[in-house]
Amino acid sequence: DIQMTQSPSSLSASVGDRVTITCRASQDIRNDLAWHQQKPGKAPKRLIYDASSLQSGVPSRFSGSGSGTEFTLTISSLQPEDFATYYCLQHNSYPRTFGQGTKLEMK
Amino acid sequence: QLVESGGDLVQPGGSLRLSCAASGFTFSSWSMSWVRQAPGKGLEWVSYLSSTGTIFYAESVKGRFTISRDNAKNSLFLQMNSLRVEDTAMYYCATGGSYGCWGQGTLVTVSS
Repeated sequence: DIQMTQSPSSLSASVGDRVTITCRASQDIRNDLAWHQQKPGKAPKRLIYDASSLQSGVPSRFSGSGSGTEFTLTISSLQPEDFATYYCLQHNSYPRTFGQGTKLEMK
Repeated sequence: QLVESGGDLVQPGGSLRLSCAASGFTFSSWSMSWVRQAPGKGLEWVSYLSSTGTIFYAESVKGRFTISRDNAKNSLFLQMNSLRVEDTAMYYCATGGSYGCWGQGTLVTVSS
């Protein structure tokens, strides 16, 4: 199974900050990586797929990069609605595996 | 849109059948998955069913859960047998290989 290691597990930031979350795969997954956002009590929502493709309707302050085993999600200027938990997902092979999540909290 | 149903409180060893009703897209053309989230925990993939019938299961549910679909009714199902306390979770259905669309979830609680 492919292990996905996400860091940090939690992050405190302020509105307007630039934030980066990293995900590392235990083996090469090409660009088969997605990022999902989850707010408390809500279903997850896909932000990015294929490592860098922005989901329709997602603000352009979200961006993804990377390939192989190292990936990043960047939020260029944090907005109040961005405080949530973020998960990476490898969609290269089965079993699908998620990172353990990054909880983004307001400083 | 995806709408799950069927979650309930069940005793260990019991069974449940979850449903996911799809609308607004050509359901028969899409692969579908079940993903679960235990209370306060992260996301865990459970099962996958392609548009052509390919099926995968997580090791933790293999032999106990069965995924199926009815394209005529635009519905996905998860038959859950021999339920364990550790199966307690919110269960979501989701579309495609990287989950472009999620339902709102249905809660399964396994407890005596």
